[in-house]
Amino acid sequence: GAGVSQSPSNKVTEKGKDVELRCDPISGHTALYWYRQRLGQGLEFLIYFQGNSAPDKSGLPSDRFSAERTGESVSTLTIQRTQQEDSAVYLCASSSQVLGTGFFGPGTRLTVL
Amino acid sequence: GENVEQHPSTLSVQEGDSAVIKCTYSDSASNYFPWYKQELGKGPQLIIDIRSNVGEKKDQRIAVTLNKTAKHFSLHITETQPEDSAVYFCAARPFPSNTGKLIFGQGTTLQVKP
Repeated sequence: GAGVSQSPSNKVTEKGKDVELRCDPISGHTALYWYRQRLGQGLEFLIYFQGNSAPDKSGLPSDRFSAERTGESVSTLTIQRTQQEDSAVYLCASSSQVLGTGFFGPGTRLTVL
Repeated sequence: GENVEQHPSTLSVQEGDSAVIKCTYSDSASNYFPWYKQELGKGPQLIIDIRSNVGEKKDQRIAVTLNKTAKHFSLHITETQPEDSAVYFCAARPFPSNTGKLIFGQGTTLQVKP
């Protein structure tokens, strides 16, 4: 596609439910990143993929958060047993090189009631 | 770990005036400093970046300066226009980094009044 796409654009869920957020990177981009942006805050790094492996998971806030990537393309961020503090915009970015410029998707706004 | 502080948090200017946003970073080994513009409901968009071996970079009305000794870098927007209104984020890439991870500032909301 022309850019990074994410789905859904908005997700409202109840506390305790699991959610899956999807990222479709730019075709051919081997590096993929997930960031979290709380209201009025900067972006917090969550995880980095190179191909299908995740050499840097240092930003995942707890074991309720996990992510995978398949076919060196689509990535899914899963949050289990959601809490209200998980409410944020989750942004995905991809780049053609590890140290290259990242192109961000529009984000998924997650609201946990 | 790396920490990035950004000031001011909000900035209001008249159309045609200049705007300056400043960031400081803690890790002297950081080597890459991008700036992003985020419009409402959209993801951040890279507008300019600078590497640690360069002191200044300019692209039309936008410029970035880097002072490695003081560990700070600044975004300068000249002849501001209403469409420059957005949230601006600075970021720093820690070194060594083989992951491309960025540490972001808290953001500056720029309002350009017509």
